[in-house]
Amino acid sequence: DIQMTQSPSSLSASVGDRVTITCQASQEISNYLNWYQQKSGKAPKLLIYDASNLQTGVPSRFSGSGSGADFTFTISSLQPEDIATYYCQQYDNLPPSLTFGGGTKVEIE
Amino acid sequence: EVLLLESGGGLVQPGGSLRLSCAASGFTFSSYAMSWVRQAPGKGLEWVSSISGSSGRTYYADSVKGRFTISRDNSKNTLYLQMNSLRAEDTAVYYCAKPLRRSNGWFGYFDSWGQGTLVTVSS
Repeated sequence: DIQMTQSPSSLSASVGDRVTITCQASQEISNYLNWYQQKSGKAPKLLIYDASNLQTGVPSRFSGSGSGADFTFTISSLQPEDIATYYCQQYDNLPPSLTFGGGTKVEIE
Repeated sequence: EVLLLESGGGLVQPGGSLRLSCAASGFTFSSYAMSWVRQAPGKGLEWVSSISGSSGRTYYADSVKGRFTISRDNSKNTLYLQMNSLRAEDTAVYYCAKPLRRSNGWFGYFDSWGQGTLVTVSS
């Protein structure tokens, strides 16, 4: 099974800061990597799919990059409404399965 | 508007059974594979199971294989999760999730989620 290592597990930054989260797969997964935002008590929300594609309606300050086994998620200018936990997620076709990273809790300083 | 409404959660004793339901609306239900994802209290997300649009193929996480059964009734636009031999570690909020792409067998990422239903396994 593919394992996803996400870091850091938490971070604190100021409004306007650039925030970066990384996700490393235990083996190459092409670009089959997605990012979600989960606010407290709510269901997850898809932000980025296939490593770098912005989901419809998601602000452009969110972005993703990477391929193979190493991926990066960036918030270019942190906003108060971005306080949430962010998860990476990979999908495998053979056999079909999904794995989530451990999550990164983002807080405002 | 896509709506997914889970129900059936509750308190159950270890070794017991529970059936979750997810009523879907706002999209052509039979054209999408559907999935269950769970989240233990204070923990991260865990994929549980998925089923193709035609119900021909089902997939399970190792942690639930042999104990949980996913199914769907396309005439009722409803997804199910039958959970047997429940353990304390199955305690979680269970989400029903729809993939972004319309495909019988693909469930790579989810653009719509329900509000979740809490399952508590405790004596």
